[in-house]
Amino acid sequence: GAVVSQHPSRVICKSGTSVKIECRSLDFQATTMFWYRQFPKQSLMLMATSNEGSKATYEQGVEKDKFLINHASLTLSTLTVTSAHPEDSSFYICSASSPMTYGYTFGSGTRLTVV
Amino acid sequence: DAKTTQPPSMDCAEGRAANLPCNHSTISGNEYVYWYRQIHSQGPQYIIHGLKNNETNEMASLIITEDRKSSTLILPHATLRDTAVYYCIVKSGGGADGLTFGKGTHLIIQP
Repeated sequence: GAVVSQHPSRVICKSGTSVKIECRSLDFQATTMFWYRQFPKQSLMLMATSNEGSKATYEQGVEKDKFLINHASLTLSTLTVTSAHPEDSSFYICSASSPMTYGYTFGSGTRLTVV
Repeated sequence: DAKTTQPPSMDCAEGRAANLPCNHSTISGNEYVYWYRQIHSQGPQYIIHGLKNNETNEMASLIITEDRKSSTLILPHATLRDTAVYYCIVKSGGGADGLTFGKGTHLIIQP
């Protein structure tokens, strides 16, 4: 149980375009979802926290207008990278928590390459 | 959340027990010790967590010292698939806040 599905697993986009990444909790309701970013050979960095039906809370230094997060239901959160640039190329990972799950469940990640 | 200190890398022979240490000397009374691992290019995987008692599940055992200032994750019979970066994270209970990942320990299982 407690599976989080993340799509796509890989995406290549042109500079200036937008990319949407989906994160779904398959067998539980995720009251809170988190988005992380990981650059090569570095650890995961928390970008933002989203609660269903409310605005996301962004960590310091993360541009909220560039990384749009929508958590419209208890099973789906999306991250849209707007006007992507090569420096946005990274591994993006979502995570979900629920009162019924131990710890946090992570998605499999999305490798974004901006060319 | 309290900080943790882990060795950057460790080797272990396949079939042997892998013992991964973690120091968390500033842990407070309501903070749990969580262990996650990340296999290359995948999302982190939950392993185990505990407050003060030792814990065991199908994946691993967690030994927490009596003063709670350090802990050890034990993988009883390491396999090549256990090669990953292991993160020790200290955090208060509840899922309202995200996790703060340190650099972790890169465990390499040798054949």
